[in-house]
Order: sequence, then C-alpha cells, then structure tokens
Amino acid sequence: AQKVTQAQTEISVVEKEDVTLDCVYETRDTTYYLFWYKQPPSGELVFLIRRNSFDEQNEISGRYSWNFQKSTSSFNFTITASQVVDSAVYFCALIAERGGADGLTFGKGTHLIIQP
Amino acid sequence: DAGVIQSPRHEVTEMGQEVTLRCKPISGHDYLFWYRQTMMRGLELLIYFNNNVPIDDSGMPEDRFSAKMPNASFSTLKIQPSEPRDSAVYFCASSSGVAYNSPLHFGNGTRLTVT
Repeated sequence: AQKVTQAQTEISVVEKEDVTLDCVYETRDTTYYLFWYKQPPSGELVFLIRRNSFDEQNEISGRYSWNFQKSTSSFNFTITASQVVDSAVYFCALIAERGGADGLTFGKGTHLIIQP
Repeated sequence: DAGVIQSPRHEVTEMGQEVTLRCKPISGHDYLFWYRQTMMRGLELLIYFNNNVPIDDSGMPEDRFSAKMPNASFSTLKIQPSEPRDSAVYFCASSSGVAYNSPLHFGNGTRLTVT
C-alpha cells in the first residue's frame, strides 16, 4: 500500500520568510514517482514538479526548491522569500510505476498562508 | 490550449435527486480521471479511463455512482440518488500517458452540495 503524509495541516508565515512544507511517503516499490501540486483559492490543482525515485538531486525553480531524500522517505518543498500569491493548499503525491496508470495517492495537503 | 473543462462549477441539489457532472479533457489526452475531494478524506481517485474505456472503478463508493466516457472529448459522473454525504468537490483530470510519466492536468472542479 502507498501512503503520503503531510503532517503540517496549516502553516502561516509573514511575507518574505522562507517556508518548508514536509512530505513523507511510504511505498514498497523501488520505482516510484513523487509530485507536488498547488491548489490556490480559485480551486484548481496546478502541477509543480515530478521526481522519480532514482533521481535524488535537489531541484530549484526560481523561489521553489525540492529536497528528495530516499533515506528518510521525504520529499520536502521550500519556498524562499514567500509572497502572498504563494498562499494555497499544497499537495504531495506518489505513484509507483508498478501501479501503471492508476491515479496518484495524495497527501491531505498543507494550507499555506502568507501574511502581508 | 484550453485546459480540462468541468461543468457546472457549483451544484446544489436536494437529497434523492440525480446529479450529473461533466468533463471535457484536454484534446489528445487519452487518460481521464475522476477524483473527489473532502476535508475528511482528502483527494480520492474514483475511476479512470484509458481510450474511453473504464480501467479501474474500485474507488467508486457505491452503486449510486456511475461514470461514462462516450467519446474522447467527454465524460460524465452521475450520482443517483444523491445523498448529503456526497457533498464534495469533484475533479476531473486528464493526461497524455500513464500517470507516472505524464502530469495530471486538473479541471477547476465541481463543488457539489446535497441538502
């Protein structure tokens, strides 16, 4: 069985602070893929990143960065110099390659509030 | 390019009524997924299609739920009869390949309220 845990239900920070969203996953498969999605107040789910289990390199995209550590089964997401527009619910998700086209297993999400 | 289009955005209905949610996937995407989002259970996969054929409906909660994809550009999720516990946001998503290789593109969702 697969499981994704986002222990932080809600985080509130002041604009320009850095913030890290935690994601811990469980899977018995050796080949799997991890994702982050953003759900802004408008409600749609926006794809942010995909990472496979064989690539542990950290990734940076502008103010966003992701830290993948297989040793701790974590795939954490950091926003540097946060902005009000970053306010959203962020979901971490997992799928094993063996699962084929089965849908992603999502965490419960972290509600990020950036205060001006 | 237009994204995944869902209608209606909001639906309010009384218990016992039939509800039909609609989805138009991105052109060229051959996988279509229906998800349900609630506070208690988060995002749950209900059913998915590949080339218009239902592949896995094990997430469909009850026989009251049914989904169809009569062609590559249209899918429906029907609840008959609806119950208050069906209140949730229902998302449709499509992808151009298997879920691990191609990101899912989600629609804006349909917020269903059953009174």
